[in-house]
Amino acid sequence: EPEVTQTPSHQVTQMGQEVILRCVPISNHLYFYWYRQILGQKVEFLVSFYNNEISEKSEIFDDQFSVERPDGSNFTLKIRSTKLEDSAMYFCASSERRTGNLEQYFGPGTRLTVT
Amino acid sequence: AQSVTQLDSHVSVSEGTPVLLRCNYSSSYSPSLFWYVQHPNKGLQLLLKYTSAATLVKGINGFEAEFKKSETSFHLTKPSAHMSDAAEYFCVVTQYGAGSYQLTFGKGTKLSVIP
Repeated sequence: EPEVTQTPSHQVTQMGQEVILRCVPISNHLYFYWYRQILGQKVEFLVSFYNNEISEKSEIFDDQFSVERPDGSNFTLKIRSTKLEDSAMYFCASSERRTGNLEQYFGPGTRLTVT
Repeated sequence: AQSVTQLDSHVSVSEGTPVLLRCNYSSSYSPSLFWYVQHPNKGLQLLLKYTSAATLVKGINGFEAEFKKSETSFHLTKPSAHMSDAAEYFCVVTQYGAGSYQLTFGKGTKLSVIP
C-alpha cells in the first residue's frame, strides 16, 4: 500500500540553525500538509499546499517557516532560524483531493529537537 | 470555527471488555469526522471516517463510531479490547464546504489495555 515517507526520523539542531524536513507524499496525491505535535500537546495544523502554492496556513506558520515542492516527489518544510520552542514532532500528510475523499494520509513524523 | 473535545485523557480497560472513547465536536459547517490512532513511535493511522453518508461508521480492527448530530458527538467503540489496541486515539474534525480542509485534532485519549 502506498505511504507517505519522511526523513530524517530524528533531527537534532542548535538554536538559530536552519533545518529542512523532507517528505515524499503518495504519488497521485495533489494536496500536501504539515502538522506539528509538541510533546504532550495536541497535533496542530501548520500549512496546506496545492498547485505549488500555499492554500492555507495557521498562526504558527510565521516568516521563519517555508514550504516547497522542489521536484515532482518531495515536499519540504524549512525552519529558517530554529528556536527551542520549535522542538516537536512534525508530520507531513497528503490527500488525493479536497472534496469527496477528504482522508489525509500521514507520514511517520520527524522528531525535531532544538538545543 | 471548528473544535473537538475528547472527554477523557486516559481510558483503561481489561482485555476482552468493551472500549468507549468519547468525542464531541463543534463545527459551523457540515463536518467530516475522523478517528486516528497513534501507536508508540509510529505515525498517525486512520481508523475510520464519517463524511455525511451512513451515521454508523465501521473502521479497521473492529472499531466503529456513530455520528450523532443532535448530541454533536462521534464516540469510538469496540466490543472487545485487544492488547494491541493500546495506543493514543485522536478525534479529528474538518469542515467540508467552508473552504478549509485543515484537520483540527482533539487532545487525544490514551487507551491502556490490562491483561
